[in-house]
Amino acid sequence: DAKTTQPPSMDCAEGRAANLPCNHSTISGNEYVYWYRQIHSQGPQYIIHGLKNNETNEMASLIITEDRKSSTLILPHATLRDTAVYYCIVRSHGANSKLTFGKGITLSVRP
Amino acid sequence: DTAVSQTPKYLVTQMGNDKSIKCEQNLGHDTMYWYKQDSKKFLKIMFSYNNKELIINETVPNRFSPKSPDKAHLNLHINSLELGDSAVYFCASSQDSTGATGELFFGEGSRLTVL
Repeated sequence: DAKTTQPPSMDCAEGRAANLPCNHSTISGNEYVYWYRQIHSQGPQYIIHGLKNNETNEMASLIITEDRKSSTLILPHATLRDTAVYYCIVRSHGANSKLTFGKGITLSVRP
Repeated sequence: DTAVSQTPKYLVTQMGNDKSIKCEQNLGHDTMYWYKQDSKKFLKIMFSYNNKELIINETVPNRFSPKSPDKAHLNLHINSLELGDSAVYFCASSQDSTGATGELFFGEGSRLTVL
């Protein structure tokens, strides 16, 4: 069972920041927050992950609240190619670690 | 070069047939996975192999038999295909099975249609 909840969908204007929320109120101390996305008809693509601190890479930023019960993925300048399903996943590290996908949030970027 | 490649990309077959999907990764990873994405778009893990050994086996019918001849390959054989097996099957790989290296790399998927 997925341990995260996300709104089913959201949209944003091209060129604006897209802020995708995720709740993970039952996250354990050793669980990381991961974000993947799946563009239509393609395989899922890793975006970013973090434990406690905020993280940034060339694709996005991940902001994790201090209590770690929620996080936000930020795409700073959304483009039409960012239209996809975005999955927020909590995952522990260790032997036989599993990546379990939930329903995700469908982001539609409008021109 | 495609990092994780699956063949075939599309497969249409009749109920009761046996079919295989092949996966190869050229990333030098130790761990490979099979995921199933059904018509409702839910992605579910089926199997995982680490260095050719089965480490994750979710509640999958035993008509599904994965085989890993070496750590770069993970094939999925399905016997006696049923209508409910219609789905997109994704292969993935990661550096190891602990998740510590973070990222899973996914293939482009193999769309299986059972008539």
